[in-house]
Amino acid sequence: SQQGEEDPQALSIQEGENATMNCSYKTSINNLQWYRQNSGRGLVHLILIRSNEREKHSGRLRVTLDTSKKSSSLLITASRAADTASYFCATVTSGSRLTFGEGTQLTVNP
Amino acid sequence: EAEVAQSPRYKITEKSQAVAFWCDPISGHATLYWYRQILGQGPELLVQFQDESVVDDSQLPKDRFSAERLKGVDSTLKIQPAELGDSAMYLCASRSDRGRTDTQYFGPGTRLTVL
Repeated sequence: SQQGEEDPQALSIQEGENATMNCSYKTSINNLQWYRQNSGRGLVHLILIRSNEREKHSGRLRVTLDTSKKSSSLLITASRAADTASYFCATVTSGSRLTFGEGTQLTVNP
Repeated sequence: EAEVAQSPRYKITEKSQAVAFWCDPISGHATLYWYRQILGQGPELLVQFQDESVVDDSQLPKDRFSAERLKGVDSTLKIQPAELGDSAMYLCASRSDRGRTDTQYFGPGTRLTVL
């Protein structure tokens, strides 16, 4: 079963613009993670934010977490064509089991 | 940089045939996961191993799927018999138990097509 729901399902922007993707989940979590998947490939871990954290940065990535609203957002600044991929949020509620959302397909046009 | 290895990358089979996938996790990673990803959806966990023991196989269709990790290193996922609905990407991931990390490292996946 899918825990997270990403919004939007698809996003198309121009190179240099910022991209924002949102994720909502249903139950309390230990942490939330974002992964990227290039077409037909495996997933690459981007960033992890714990339930007691509100914001994290990694390079051009900024993740926020609002546990009261059970939501998270991923911001990619100054996007590049190479950022074109599917982005998934995944939650950990207990142990290490990841429960993924259905993803946002990001297209960055050169 | 160490990576999770999977083979084959692509597999085409006919329904009712048996198929097997192999995964070699990053060296030293005690936890290994198999996920199934249907096109257009997020991955769903099939089975989780801690060393050679199954920790979670609640989502594994046990009438046709089996998984093993006999020596606690590499792992095999088998489907017998394959059905049309099994067409998907099968992803393997591993995680280190050292330190406070929940990051999982994924292999490139095996794309299965059942005809």
